[in-house]
Amino acid sequence: AQSVTQPDIHITVSEGASLELRCNYSYGATPYLFWYVQSPGQGLQLLLKYFSGDTLVQGIKGFEAEFKRSQSSFNLRKPSVHWSDAAEYFCAVGAHPSGGYNKLIFGAGTRLAVHP
Amino acid sequence: DAGITQSPRHKVTETGTPVTLRCHQTENHRYMYWYRQDPGHGLRLIHYSYGVKDTDKGEVSDGYSVSRSKTEDFLLTLESATSSQTSVYFCAISGGGASDTEAFFGQGTRLTVV
Repeated sequence: AQSVTQPDIHITVSEGASLELRCNYSYGATPYLFWYVQSPGQGLQLLLKYFSGDTLVQGIKGFEAEFKRSQSSFNLRKPSVHWSDAAEYFCAVGAHPSGGYNKLIFGAGTRLAVHP
Repeated sequence: DAGITQSPRHKVTETGTPVTLRCHQTENHRYMYWYRQDPGHGLRLIHYSYGVKDTDKGEVSDGYSVSRSKTEDFLLTLESATSSQTSVYFCAISGGGASDTEAFFGQGTRLTVV
């Protein structure tokens, strides 16, 4: 079955600390992986995506993620968290968006709180 | 927000009544999607459309129907709302040429069924 697991429902970090959000996937074909962020009351914004090539991908707002095929993981990282990073983060997997078709399977999300 | 407008943004309705949510895009994207977001489940796909009058079911389609009579509009209908359909509903679009590999999301509609 195709699925995405985000093991951490809530994470709290101090401002300036490093962050890693975990994501594991199960997908029968070549996975195309995404991380989205959702601020309260807002829609989802794409942070980064992985299709092929370099397994370390850079995104917006200083985030990066590393694809590890052997571990079926796509963990999101940031070296120094800012208070404005407090939000909910979703990992998603899909087939290659050929021609723009981009149906996604989402994880349950990780809610990040940032302490001053 | 990539030219996606969802309406209404908030709605409270009674059990058994029909409800229609609208998604309007100004981006001329080919694909449109309806997701629902619930705590502990993330976003789950309800229905999607790959063109005018072309739609298909997602993983949680029971109790929902959709229609797309124009490229820019994708309607989600709950024929007879139930409390289990209380959720936040998101519309998404994709397939817009240079942005082919990204799905863009609307602001969401919070629906409460009482």
